[in-house]
Amino acid sequence: DIVLTQSPLSLAVTPGEPASISCKSSQSLLHRNGYNYLAWYLQKPGQSPQLLIYLGSDRASGAPGRFSGSGSATDFTLKISRVEAEDAGIYFCMHALQTPYTFGQGTKLEIK
Amino acid sequence: EAQLLESGGGLVQPGGSLRLSCRASGVSVSRSYINWVRQSRGKGPEWVSVIQRSGRTFYADSVNGRFTVSRDESQDTVYLQMNSLRVEDTAIYYCATASNGVADAFDVWGLGTVVTVSS
Repeated sequence: DIVLTQSPLSLAVTPGEPASISCKSSQSLLHRNGYNYLAWYLQKPGQSPQLLIYLGSDRASGAPGRFSGSGSATDFTLKISRVEAEDAGIYFCMHALQTPYTFGQGTKLEIK
Repeated sequence: EAQLLESGGGLVQPGGSLRLSCRASGVSVSRSYINWVRQSRGKGPEWVSVIQRSGRTFYADSVNGRFTVSRDESQDTVYLQMNSLRVEDTAIYYCATASNGVADAFDVWGLGTVVTVSS
């Protein structure tokens, strides 16, 4: 199975400051069609996960423009340009290259 | 707008069975990849199973041979039959899909249904 390793596991950010989360894969997530099958989700307490980024760098409909995804193959990054209070929660990366799909351990974002 | 609604969760003894349902609206289960994802308290999500547009099914090793996913296209509903349940199957079970009908990410999630396996 593909293992996704996130870092850091937690971070505390002041509103208006940037934040960055890394997701490293044990295998390349680059499909032969040229797309990276890596997505980012935010889960707020008591809620279902919500999609932020898919195919490595495409922003999901409804995801704020301050969220961006980058990377390819085994190294990916989620960036928040200017953190807002509503961004608090746990961020997960997930691959959909092949079954079984797997998730990273999660990164807890706390707002200072 | 695509929506998913799970039901069927509850309390069951180890070794027992339970059938979960995922009712879709705004999206056809026959033209979608419908996934089941579970999450134990305080842990990250774990992918469980998928039924593809073709009807092919795939399972996580942890449930393979015990869980079976199926669908009723006339009801736009997907089912997860869970047999030989174990304490470690206790979790919130979500169904999730991509509204664009491809298998790249899940932009539609249900609210989840709680399964508790305990004696």
